[in-house]
Amino acid sequence: AQKVTQAQTEISVVEKEDVTLDCVYETRDTTYYLFWYKQPPSGELVFLIRRNSFDEQNEISGRYSWNFQKSTSSFNFTITASQVVDSAVYFCALSERNNDMRFGAGTRLTVKP
Amino acid sequence: SQTIHQWPATLVQPVGSPLSLECTVEGTSNPNLYWYRQAAGRGLQLLFYSVGIGQISSEVPQNLSASRPQDRQFILSSKKLLLSDSGFYLCAWGLRVGGYTFGSGTRLTVV
Repeated sequence: AQKVTQAQTEISVVEKEDVTLDCVYETRDTTYYLFWYKQPPSGELVFLIRRNSFDEQNEISGRYSWNFQKSTSSFNFTITASQVVDSAVYFCALSERNNDMRFGAGTRLTVKP
Repeated sequence: SQTIHQWPATLVQPVGSPLSLECTVEGTSNPNLYWYRQAAGRGLQLLFYSVGIGQISSEVPQNLSASRPQDRQFILSSKKLLLSDSGFYLCAWGLRVGGYTFGSGTRLTVV
């Protein structure tokens, strides 16, 4: 069965610090898709990134970067030079070809000024 | 472009009352539709999904039901709400491989 673990329940950093949110997944499929979503205080989930299992290239988008490592079944998310607006709950999710998306429990990030 | 609408944004209902939350999608045909619930401080739990009109799959047995009367309409219902039904309900559409687009959510408080 597919499973997503976000071991960090809450993280608090001071503005401009770098922070990494961990995500470990379990799947028996060779084809699967990984996602990160951001949930700001308003509640709506905002899509951040999608990664398929055949593409292990790390990705950088501005201050955001993602490190996908199949060897450790991890898909970690790093925010560089964090800002107060980054405060939110971040969800990692896994989708298999024949199973719907499953979310981790989420990590609440608080960035203090 | 595709948009997803969900209403109401906030709802306070007494225990034992009925519930109807509506979600509609625009700009796409035959979307896969989903209802998720997020209890306070918790993760997202998949409640129902639908791959077509009248086709509903339930993930968790509970006090809720879902219906899809039209291609782009997905309704979450309950005949009698329980306190434990309180939470944040999110509708989404999309494909497993492409990711989902979520509505703005309904915050339900059962009192």
